[in-house]
Amino acid sequence: EVQLVESGGGLVQPGGSLRLSCAASGFTFSTYSMNWVRQAPGKGLEWVSYISSSSSTTYYADSVKGRFTISRDNAENSLYLQMNSLRAEDTAVYYCSREDITRINYWGQGTLVTVSS
Amino acid sequence: EIVLTQSPGTLSLSPGERATLSCRASQSVSSSYLAWYQQKPGQAPRLLIYGASSRATGIPDRFSGSGSGTDFTLTISRLEPEDFAVYYCQQYGTSPRWTFGQGTNVEIK
Repeated sequence: EVQLVESGGGLVQPGGSLRLSCAASGFTFSTYSMNWVRQAPGKGLEWVSYISSSSSTTYYADSVKGRFTISRDNAENSLYLQMNSLRAEDTAVYYCSREDITRINYWGQGTLVTVSS
Repeated sequence: EIVLTQSPGTLSLSPGERATLSCRASQSVSSSYLAWYQQKPGQAPRLLIYGASSRATGIPDRFSGSGSGTDFTLTISRLEPEDFAVYYCQQYGTSPRWTFGQGTNVEIK
């Protein structure tokens, strides 16, 4: 069974940093591209970042470019999102997701990040 | 950058009724790259339709997708109580990798 379990969310002050993790199991992690998608409270879905299976290619939404860094450890079956210079508008549930060619078949349960003083 | 606009924002229907949800793209989208998701409160999204018209594994046949170019439709033939939720269309690209519509809330009338 495919499982994606996020962790690392919490309350952080504006300007602070946080590192999200996603533990993957039930599939060959090293062969899949992965993404982070977020959802602000009461709002829609927003794609945040993408990383290819080998980490050779990464993409970021304009809203987080230069502040967030996506990475992965295929030996540890883990995906990460380093978030720096956090703003109030980054408050959201962050979902780890597995990309299956042209769609997202699997999502984690999400981890809540709250940026507030 | 392609923008996806969903309509209506809210759809108020009764169980047993037919639901028709629209997703319009600001420029032509390959049908292979258009998907639909369902999201219930407190849950992660669930893939319903991919490639504009293919049902994902385990999705009941009352859900169907159609369309091409800039106009796509998700149809729920007969609403079941568990179908009341928010529905998102999604387009696959390069960067941004994924573009979502703003969602349609299907609520009980």
